[in-house]
Amino acid sequence: KAGVTQTPRYLIKTRGQQVTLSCSPISGHRSVSWYQQTPGQGLQFLFEYFSETQRNKGNFPGRFSGRQFSNSRSEMNVSTLELGDSALYLCASSSLESTGELFFGEGSRLTVL
Amino acid sequence: KQEVTQIPAALSVPEGENLVLNCSFTDSAIYNLQWFRQDPGKGLTSLLLIQSSQREQTSGRLNASLDKSSGRSTLYIAASQPGDSATYLCAVGASGSRLTFGEGTQLTVNP
Repeated sequence: KAGVTQTPRYLIKTRGQQVTLSCSPISGHRSVSWYQQTPGQGLQFLFEYFSETQRNKGNFPGRFSGRQFSNSRSEMNVSTLELGDSALYLCASSSLESTGELFFGEGSRLTVL
Repeated sequence: KQEVTQIPAALSVPEGENLVLNCSFTDSAIYNLQWFRQDPGKGLTSLLLIQSSQREQTSGRLNASLDKSSGRSTLYIAASQPGDSATYLCAVGASGSRLTFGEGTQLTVNP
């Protein structure tokens, strides 16, 4: 079956703009989580959605937000972009009825100029 | 606050060698532990998942162990191959899908 799909794969924005990233989980998975990966901070948890509800949130400013739709697809939004937001944003899906194993997409690489 | 440490940060070995990657965590109240592989510019590929009640998991040439009481996990790779070259990440799960990651071990297997 198809894996986790993230779009777009690459994008370039300028400071002050906003960006929306999309994630389609593995079919049947209801949990979607987002992570930010940077060379300096490594992989950090942003938030998790389950059945359209945010269930967990990491230590990121309010400029980072997300949502989940009824078909389990998820979007994350970053407003008022800063240079430090340049990162690889990874989405993961999980079927919590099983073992809790996370499956990641290829990521969206955001560059902020 | 959970902290995950991976040692060594980088490792270079000749092809065919058996090797061990180490992961330690500070809070033993974990739900599970997962090992991932990441190739440059790519996403994460799940290698092994160990539930908190388990001691080890095996998949092909990979074996991962978990010792909750000491806060340690190891990933054993047998008969390493150049295709195993990648960054290996250890991640500890506390609840839901919230994982705390280590910084990773960058492995290079030389032909």
